[in-house]
Amino acid sequence: GDSVTQMEGPVTLSEEAFLTINCTYTATGYPSLFWYVQYPGEGLQLLLKATKADDKGSNKGFEATYRKETTSFHLEKGSVQVSDSAVYFCARGPTSGGSYIPTFGRGTSLIVHP
Amino acid sequence: DARVTQTPRDKVTEMGQEVTMRCQPILGHNTVFWYRQTMMQGLELLAYFRNRAPLDDSGMPKDRFSAEMPDATLATLKIQPSEPRDSAVYFCASGFGTNYGYTFGSGTRLTVV
Repeated sequence: GDSVTQMEGPVTLSEEAFLTINCTYTATGYPSLFWYVQYPGEGLQLLLKATKADDKGSNKGFEATYRKETTSFHLEKGSVQVSDSAVYFCARGPTSGGSYIPTFGRGTSLIVHP
Repeated sequence: DARVTQTPRDKVTEMGQEVTMRCQPILGHNTVFWYRQTMMQGLELLAYFRNRAPLDDSGMPKDRFSAEMPDATLATLKIQPSEPRDSAVYFCASGFGTNYGYTFGSGTRLTVV
């Protein structure tokens, strides 16, 4: 069935380091892809999205490119801050002809040290 | 910014008691989800509504859980009777269409003792 696979965490980095969190998906069709962020004690917040192949979503210095050929949507940031410490979820939207339910990965915890 | 409002924020209850969680989706959103989050299982989809009609509740234990949308401004998740294994954070999320993502509430942290 349709699924989303994220790299396991925690990912531990020093401030100003480069971040990559890998995400791959399986789906029937071409779903929209999303990254959400969850800070402690809060709900998930939409961070960025891409709705078609080769689209690049970006927000707050984070970027992810919809790669149809590798079915991937890796999250990147050039220089992380302590305030970026959170759990990041990759998600796949519903697809016509496939599952109408969005699918979330298990989340990747990011810890950024000063 | 528009918000999804969930109440209560925290709930501690004794095993066997009824628990009702409420969610006010964003006005104009036509899809509403209930998720449960635990360390062991991650995010689990419990129920999914579109235009107030339940489309999927296969992830919900039917014998004790029920989800309803009595009107467009209110979604409820009820557990009766509650059990310690129901302890988790329950999130409501709402959205519109398939390309815009979803807005999550801050969650209800349920502890059943």
